Amino acid sequence: GENVEQHPSTLSVQEGDSAVIKCTYSDSASNYFPWYKQELGKGPQLIIDIRSNVGEKKDQRIAVTLNKTAKHFSLHITETQPEDSAVYFCAAKIQGAQKLVFGQGTRLTINP
Amino acid sequence: EAGVVQSPRYKIIEKKQPVAFWCNPISGHNTLYWYLQNLGQGPELLIRYENEEAVDDSQLPKDRFSAERLKGVDSTLKIQPAELGDSAVYLCASSLGANNEQFFGPGTRLTVL
Repeated sequence: GENVEQHPSTLSVQEGDSAVIKCTYSDSASNYFPWYKQELGKGPQLIIDIRSNVGEKKDQRIAVTLNKTAKHFSLHITETQPEDSAVYFCAAKIQGAQKLVFGQGTRLTINP
Repeated sequence: EAGVVQSPRYKIIEKKQPVAFWCNPISGHNTLYWYLQNLGQGPELLIRYENEEAVDDSQLPKDRFSAERLKGVDSTLKIQPAELGDSAVYLCASSLGANNEQFFGPGTRLTVL
């Protein structure tokens, strides 16, 4: 089955700097890659997603890139703010399987 | 619009006791998911419903876990008997369909003593 690896497990950056979180997946049939943000005591919330027919997607300060050949995708957050502090999860879905497989999560801390 | 509602938010029980979690999905969402989230890990799917039918329960430990979604709306997840290793957050999510965005509830944090 699909396996998703996420790195780093923790990331600390200064406010205003950029943060990058990387994920790799194992099944080349995966075609949908969402990113979720989870704040303390809350469920994960979708912040951006990308499908396999697109190489990059951007929404204001966040962007996601996908390299299908290497089977990895990354989340980029620019001009980080204290409210960006949270745990971020990547996930992958195999075409037709209707099942999301999540990475282990990255705890992002933005230092003021 | 109300989000996914889960109750209780916290539950502490002793091992071997039964426990049940309740989920009310977003109105109109046909697909409902139960996930298990261990501390420091990503969510893992336990079961997925399409309306009232469980279409993927391959990861549900059926010896002690059961779930139901009567009338294709609310759902309950039950554990009987609970074990120490069941301590985790149980997340419910819903979506319009299996190919649509999943919206998560706040979860129920279970502690088994």
